[in-house]
Amino acid sequence: AQKVTQAQTEISVVEKEDVTLDCVYETRDTTYYLFWYKQPPSGELVFLIRRNSFDEQNEISGRYSWNFQKSTSSFNFTITASQVVDSAVYFCALSEAGRGSTLGRLYFGRGTQLTVWP
Amino acid sequence: EAQVTQNPRYLITVTGKKLTVTCSQNMNHEYMSWYRQDPGLGLRQIYYSMNVEVTDKGDVPEGYKVSRKEKRNFPLILESPSPNQTSLYFCASSLSWGIYEQYFGPGTRLTVT
Repeated sequence: AQKVTQAQTEISVVEKEDVTLDCVYETRDTTYYLFWYKQPPSGELVFLIRRNSFDEQNEISGRYSWNFQKSTSSFNFTITASQVVDSAVYFCALSEAGRGSTLGRLYFGRGTQLTVWP
Repeated sequence: EAQVTQNPRYLITVTGKKLTVTCSQNMNHEYMSWYRQDPGLGLRQIYYSMNVEVTDKGDVPEGYKVSRKEKRNFPLILESPSPNQTSLYFCASSLSWGIYEQYFGPGTRLTVT
């Protein structure tokens, strides 16, 4: 079973629409870390945000916001008023740190391709 | 400039011909890792190294070897490449494991014919 599931393979929106990228994770650990990375068409991978399992505060950074809900094992990413430059593949990732975990492993979801049309 | 470098960026080779993809970071990071990216499969971890003394397998280690003789370098070795290893490879480093974000190299596009 996948530890990180990004069910949306592709999403297309028109500029200025809001869009939410879903990420569901699976872990038995109480201590873990979640990440979002962006891969624009140029191919590089860029870190966006991290969250530890003890911090359920949602975060907003400009047009980006993240909703972490332990009750549903989700760490969703919302882009408000999307722009063409937001077109990219977005990856969610999980790192576990509890006893019995394989420390150092990083599990990525399969990614969501977001296309924003002008 | 803080960065992770990979070489070569593009490589076309034939089945069975040993190759090495180099990875180097200049940030004094303890943790380094290799990933492969394939369409529809996302990023999968091949090997990772928590520090120069600890290296371990990721999701898809078969057919690959790594070496961490010094902190800054983490080469990926394909002793006998096969066509199913055709992929986009990324090296990454971070200060340590856990909460620290990964810094990725630019990627190496490998084609094995």
